[in-house]
This record gives sequence, structure tokens and C-alpha cells, in this order.
Amino acid sequence: DAGITQSPRYKITETGRQVTLMCHQTWSHSYMFWYRQDLGHGLRLIYYSAAADITDKGEVPDGYVVSRSKTENFPLTLESATRSQTSVYFCASSVTGNTEAFFGQGTRLTVV
Amino acid sequence: GQQVMQIPQYQHVQEGEDFTTYCNSSTTLSNIQWYKQRPGGHPVFLIQLVKSGEVKKQKRLTFQFGEAKKNSSLHITATQTTDVGTYFCAGPSNQAGTALIFGKGTTLSVSS
Repeated sequence: DAGITQSPRYKITETGRQVTLMCHQTWSHSYMFWYRQDLGHGLRLIYYSAAADITDKGEVPDGYVVSRSKTENFPLTLESATRSQTSVYFCASSVTGNTEAFFGQGTRLTVV
Repeated sequence: GQQVMQIPQYQHVQEGEDFTTYCNSSTTLSNIQWYKQRPGGHPVFLIQLVKSGEVKKQKRLTFQFGEAKKNSSLHITATQTTDVGTYFCAGPSNQAGTALIFGKGTTLSVSS
């Protein structure tokens, strides 16, 4: 009963490098989301997906790319990491888009 | 743009005291949800309110949804050290219709 898993849990990368955060869910939920959590900002939506091959921007999408070729996976890519992208990233899924969301354990990303 | 605001940002109480956090939306919400995040953890769904004026209880926690469906509150009676964490309210996003927008959270600390 894995639910929703994120990998890696911790990542340190250098400015300018590309990095991909993985998210996998076993419930076959239609909706998946990426949020970033920063002190003083709460949880901010980066991208979301209503189904495989359907993605849309959230509140803070700049500098990020997502894809969803399979229902269960929703990777988030930072094309050229910047220090301002140092954050904790949470992936979440839900049956419908605006009801109970199930969060992964988070990935703590540090860009140096 | 749409905003979901929570007050207070931080609250420290002595064990046994009551605690209340308030959530206010700039727009009418079809539902409001509450999540709890323990230190170092991920947000976990607590409850969803849908009806105007709705009140729900979970043991020592009481949740209310305002008559205008723009505000909500979470009240904890006789706090315990296990209540420590950050409490978030969330509602459907107007921009991203099938995603949630979160308040910045109220962080509760409890001393024994």
C-alpha cells in the first residue's frame, strides 16, 4: 500500500543543472498536482494534471516543466535550476480536482 | 487574484488551553478543507465542509464553514502536545478550477 511516493527525498544540485523530481501514485487518481512549500508562502501550486496527457499551469509555473504520459506518474523537471527554486516540493493526487488531496512525503531540494 | 488568508500565522499555547485558527477567502467557495502538517511531515487531510453554516466535530476539533461560504474556523479544545503542527485551510482554485488553493497556514506550538 504505497499510495503516493516521491523520489528523491533529498536533492542538492548546482545552479543551471536540470533536475527531475519523480512522483508515483498507486490509486489511479485522475488528478495530480505539484506544490512547493516555502516559509511564509504556504503551499503554492506549480502545475496540475487532470488526466494522462493533460497538464496545466498553476500559480508559479515559471522554470518548471511537467509531463504525464501515464496516469500513475507525474514528474516535475527544473530545466535550469536557480537558487530561488530551493524549496520543499510536494506531489499530491485526488479523485476529483478540488476534493481530498493525498500528499507524498515531499522532496527537499537545495540549489547551490 | 483569489486569496485564502489564515490568521494567526503562529500560535503558542500551554497544554490544555484552547486554540482557534481562522480562514478567509476572497471568493465564495464550493467547499473548504482542512489539512494538518506535522513538523517535517506532509499535509494530511482532516475534513471537508460543503454546506453553508456547516459544523463538524472530530473529537476535540470543531470545524465551521461560514454562512457566506467565504470563511471557516478550526477550534481545538484542550490542546495536547500531539496537536503540534501547521494547519492549512484550502478551497477550490478559481484560476485552476480543478486544483486547491491553500492558505499560508497557522503553526501551533504547545508547551507542557
